[in-house]
This record gives sequence, C-alpha cells and structure tokens, in this order.
Amino acid sequence: QQPVQSPQAVILREGEDAVINCSSSKALYSVHWYRQKHGEAPVFLMILLKGGEQKGHEKISASFNEKKQQSSLYLTASQLSYSGTYFCVAGNMLTFGGGTRLMVKP
Amino acid sequence: NAGVTQTPKFRILKIGQSMTLQCAQDMNHNYMYWYRQDPGMGLKLIYYSVGAGITDKGEVPNGYNVSRSTTEDFPLRLELAAPSQTSVYFCASSYYTGFNEKLFFGSGTQLSVL
Repeated sequence: QQPVQSPQAVILREGEDAVINCSSSKALYSVHWYRQKHGEAPVFLMILLKGGEQKGHEKISASFNEKKQQSSLYLTASQLSYSGTYFCVAGNMLTFGGGTRLMVKP
Repeated sequence: NAGVTQTPKFRILKIGQSMTLQCAQDMNHNYMYWYRQDPGMGLKLIYYSVGAGITDKGEVPNGYNVSRSTTEDFPLRLELAAPSQTSVYFCASSYYTGFNEKLFFGSGTQLSVL
C-alpha cells in the first residue's frame, strides 16, 4: 500500500523552513527520500534505516519513527534549488508516496 | 560508468501496437525495477526483478511483461498498446544488501499511445 504524504503542496519564500511527512499503514523498516525536478528522473536524497535516526543532506534532514511508522523530511533555510516534488519510498517493493510539490520563491 | 540506460527516450504508438522498452545497467545491481509516472502523479511500480531469471509483479502489471535473462538487462514489453499506457516510464536498479539501497534511475521514456 502506498505511503501517504502530507502536505500535497507547499509554497515557501527563500530562507523559510518546511516539513514533509510520510506515514505508512504497514510496518516500516526503512524509508527513502527522493526529489524530482520537472522532466527529470527522481534523485536520491537519503535513506533512513533505524527508528529515530536522523540523516542529513545539505540543509535537508529527516527522521524516522519506526514505531509510529512515520518519517519526516525537514528543509531548513530553503533555497530556490529545493523546488521540486519530494517522494518518500518504503517497503520491500519500494512503493512511492503520492509526492509533495515544493515551490520556493525569491 | 553509464549507470542505467533506457531507450528510446520518446515513442509514439498507435492503439494495438506492441513495443519493448530497453533498460540496461552496468553497476552489477541485483535488483531492477520498472515504474510508470502519469502527469502530476507519483511513480507506480509495474514489475521488479531480484536477479537474473526472477521477476515479480508490482502495483500495476496489467498490459506489460518483463524478462531478465542477464543481470544487466531488464526489458519491458507492452502488448496491444492502449491510451491508458500513455505515461513516462522509468527503469531503476539498486543493490539489496539486507535492505533496499538507493535507486539509480534511467532518464525515462515518454510514451504516447494514440
């Protein structure tokens, strides 16, 4: 079953922060996060393997709560280059969530 | 290294035609995947393979077939193309080492069925 992401879309001004959430009805053992720009393939951001472990990529970090079957992606001091659609991916079959469209404006 | 190579990049098919989308990876990855992405939507898994000779259905397998005779190649076959198969198709590969490591994607194939 597809992970559920929220919000579906968010608009930020440069320098603002955002949080994207991902939840699953099934037990999660790992979560991937990807970013996709228009017309391009998704690009890997990070994998989270352990409950509560945070990983970082530039000013993007994430947490993973295995018990709650949830993961969150934190974007701090957003830059124009952060614009795109963010996907969480979970499960043995690597099922993609519905995506969160992020737009960063100057 | 080339990574994951998909061909063709674009294709227009008529209803009822068949075609094969090619995918090859040179990273010796054991797992390979085919996804489709409709406009404004997420990626849906069509088929995946955990190694040569082993394939399994994903979320949306109807109308497609795959084979994996070698570690490197994972072609996707569309039989009797329908307008509902108009989409962008992505091939991906990864290592599975007790957990799914990161996906490496091809550049995608834009398919239109008219």
